[in-house]
Amino acid sequence: AQSVTQLDSQVPVFEEAPVELRCNYSSSVSVYLFWYVQYPNQGLQLLLKYLSGSTLVKGINGFEAEFNKSQTSFHLRKPSVHISDTAEYFCAASKAAGNKLTFGGGTRVLVKP
Amino acid sequence: EAGVAQSPRYKIIEKRQSVAFWCNPISGHATLYWYQQILGQGPKLLIQFQNNGVVDDSQLPKDRFSAERLKGVDSTLKIQPAKLEDSAVYLCASSPPGTVPGELFFGEGSRLTVL
Repeated sequence: AQSVTQLDSQVPVFEEAPVELRCNYSSSVSVYLFWYVQYPNQGLQLLLKYLSGSTLVKGINGFEAEFNKSQTSFHLRKPSVHISDTAEYFCAASKAAGNKLTFGGGTRVLVKP
Repeated sequence: EAGVAQSPRYKIIEKRQSVAFWCNPISGHATLYWYQQILGQGPKLLIQFQNNGVVDDSQLPKDRFSAERLKGVDSTLKIQPAKLEDSAVYLCASSPPGTVPGELFFGEGSRLTVL
């Protein structure tokens, strides 16, 4: 069964500092990978996705993620965070030949002034 | 374009009572999903519809949960009777035909508190 692991449950970070959120997945078949963001009291919003091709994927709000097949990782990064980036971030995976999306447990990012 | 609409946003009930949540997906989206998000956890798929047919309900607790999508548009998720562990946010999502598997559009969720 496919699983997604987010290694950090909470990440405090100062405003304008860089942040990296770690995600590892397990799958024996090709997968699509996603990062979703959930702002307080809102639904999930797609940040970025990896389908194939270039391993560096750029998303909205200055976020990017790098797909590493050998390490089965899909870490999310932002070089300089803003207060408005305070949210919960979910890594997710789906099989290329299926339609079921499996989420990690989430990483809560708290940006401090 | 209007997003996925859900109601009610908040609901508080006693255990053993029943509750229903409603979802209206984005127009033209054939696939509709219900996810359960327990506090501190990632969303878990409860049921997936393709038009008005069920594609996957393997994680739906069928002894107390039911869902329907009449006419392939709106959907209702019902819990009867509710248990304390059903306290969660119930997220509805939809996706259009031909989209990448996993690229979903979510509503704001319905937060259920069972006392």
